[in-house]
Amino acid sequence: QLLLQESGPGQVKPSETLSLDCAVSGASITTTNYYWAWIRQPPGKGLEWIGSISYLQTTFYNPSLKSRVIISKHPSKNQFSLNLSSVTAADTAVYFCARDYRHHYFDYWGQGNLVTVSS
Amino acid sequence: SYVLTQPPSVSVAPGETAKITCGANDIGSKSVHWYQQKAGQAPVLVIYYDSDRPSEIPERFSGSSSGNTATLTISRVEAGDEADYYCQVWYSSSDPDVFGGGTKLTVL
Repeated sequence: QLLLQESGPGQVKPSETLSLDCAVSGASITTTNYYWAWIRQPPGKGLEWIGSISYLQTTFYNPSLKSRVIISKHPSKNQFSLNLSSVTAADTAVYFCARDYRHHYFDYWGQGNLVTVSS
Repeated sequence: SYVLTQPPSVSVAPGETAKITCGANDIGSKSVHWYQQKAGQAPVLVIYYDSDRPSEIPERFSGSSSGNTATLTISRVEAGDEADYYCQVWYSSSDPDVFGGGTKLTVL
């Protein structure tokens, strides 16, 4: 059974950096053909793909967020991370981590972590 | 960018068939995936590659795609199917619009 679990602060101050981790169990994040993604959902709104990191460590980012996003992998911990810098209230959202099959579809999701940007 | 257009809402009575559409230019030539998101929960993949269904998803869920429209069909709708449904297409890694805007399915 593949499980993903997000962790991180529930509140971040404006202009600071939002940092989240996703712990993966039941599969290795170095497995060929699988990417690992972050997706967010502002309250009452739809889903927005933030970015993905491949099994080869290649990263792909949403162009609208690219200048502020870094996704990295930590194979020894079997987890991957999201850093989003210079946050504003518009970055308030539930942040999901998910497994991305070859940049095709997202087949497993974490439960989500609500992050509120507020002073 | 490649914009996926979904109706904001669809309503259907229990036992009837619900059809949720996802429109985009020549979407029939691309792979379309569908997610169900119940209130307060993470999305769940219900259809991938237009019409394939994960083993844990009921056969009542089916998908099709042709021309400029992809369709998620839910047969014999149940109260538990009430949720938001999102279509998803990877057009290119430089395209920000991966998901459609979502459709709220209401079971009357």
